Amino acid sequence: SQTIHQWPATLVQPVGSPLSLECTVEGTSNPNLYWYRQAAGRGLQLLFYSVGIGQISSEVPQNLSASRPQDRQFILSSKKLLLSDSGFYLCAWTRQGDEQYFGPGTRLTVT
Amino acid sequence: AQKITQTQPGMFVQEKEAVTLDCTYDTSDPSYGLFWYKQPSSGEMIFLIYQGSYDQQNATEGRYSLNFQKARKSANLVISASQLGDSAMYFCAMREHLSSGSARQLTFGSGTQLTVLP
Repeated sequence: SQTIHQWPATLVQPVGSPLSLECTVEGTSNPNLYWYRQAAGRGLQLLFYSVGIGQISSEVPQNLSASRPQDRQFILSSKKLLLSDSGFYLCAWTRQGDEQYFGPGTRLTVT
Repeated sequence: AQKITQTQPGMFVQEKEAVTLDCTYDTSDPSYGLFWYKQPSSGEMIFLIYQGSYDQQNATEGRYSLNFQKARKSANLVISASQLGDSAMYFCAMREHLSSGSARQLTFGSGTQLTVLP
């Protein structure tokens, strides 16, 4: 069966510091991968998606970037965090089916 | 314009009763899919049910059913025999075929917080 991992689970970072969130998927190959952000009490906003290694599409201009160095690894980064980057970050994957399966999420607080 | 609209920020239901969570959508794509996800306080997003735009019958998964009214562009989630563990945030989402291409992107609504009362 497929499993999706995210780490860290929680993170508190000062403004201006770098960020690296990691997402890995097990039990499948060549998945589509997604990064979402959820502000407190809000819906999900798609940030990036990837249909293959090195292929990244950005949905909104922002302070973040994404990379896919391996087939089942998706990384969300920032060189300098802003207060507005605080939120709950969810990674998701899909393959042949339509439904997306989500990881446990990372709660980021920028202070 | 909002592609997915969930007009109920919060809902209450008595344990063992049924509840309907509303979702309307906006698309000109003839091929699309509709999804419902549950997000408990732990934060994980749990896939519940899927309805394709060409499906003739309403989708059902255990206690979950999707009341799909294509002409009205609504895809309401019905939870029967509510349980205390059903208390969570519920999100409606849509995938449009043409705009998503191979990426299968989802657009989410703002969610409905359901509270099941004992």
